[in-house]
Amino acid sequence: AQTVTQSQPEMSVQEAETVTLSCTYDTSESDYYLFWYKQPPSRQMILVIRQEAYKQQNATENRFSVNFQKAAKSFSLKISDSQLGDAAMYFCAYIHQGAQKLVFGQGTRLTINP
Amino acid sequence: DTGVSQDPRHKITKRGQNVTFRCDPISEHNRLYWYRQTLGQGPEFLTYFQNEAQLEKSRLLSDRFSAERPKGSFSTLEIQRTEQGDSAMYLCASSSNRLSYEQYFGPGTRLTVT
Repeated sequence: AQTVTQSQPEMSVQEAETVTLSCTYDTSESDYYLFWYKQPPSRQMILVIRQEAYKQQNATENRFSVNFQKAAKSFSLKISDSQLGDAAMYFCAYIHQGAQKLVFGQGTRLTINP
Repeated sequence: DTGVSQDPRHKITKRGQNVTFRCDPISEHNRLYWYRQTLGQGPEFLTYFQNEAQLEKSRLLSDRFSAERPKGSFSTLEIQRTEQGDSAMYLCASSSNRLSYEQYFGPGTRLTVT
């Protein structure tokens, strides 16, 4: 069975600094997708960024970028120029090609210090 | 652009009562998913619909749980004879056929069983 592990329950960063959230996953599949979702307090989960496993190039969305290491099964999220609005729970998620269910990690609570 | 909506947002019920939640997916999305999220954890998959057909159910979905999507649009999730362990956030998500792996989440229904 596929598993997703986020080893950092909590992280904090100063406003305008850069922070990296870690995620590792375990799978025997070769075609899959990885995601980072953001869940602000009492608000809905938002898709931040996705990575297709067949793509070697790391995905980037404005201040958010990933470091995808397929051989190491590692998928970290880098947030540059952190803003107060980035404070949230961040979940790493996996789905393999043809599957229907997302498998989530336990989440990392990110605090932004002004 | 209307996203995924869920109703109610909060539900408090006494143990043993039945509850029903509703989810309205993004209008052009024919795939719909239910997840459960307990405090401090990532969401866990419950069930999946493609149009009106329920195609996958998790072992988490006990006999007391039933989900429907009668006309392939909105979906309902019913929990009969609620137990305190059912207290959780129930999340609905939807996706299109073209980007089936990219799921968009609603705000969730928070259930508290007293």
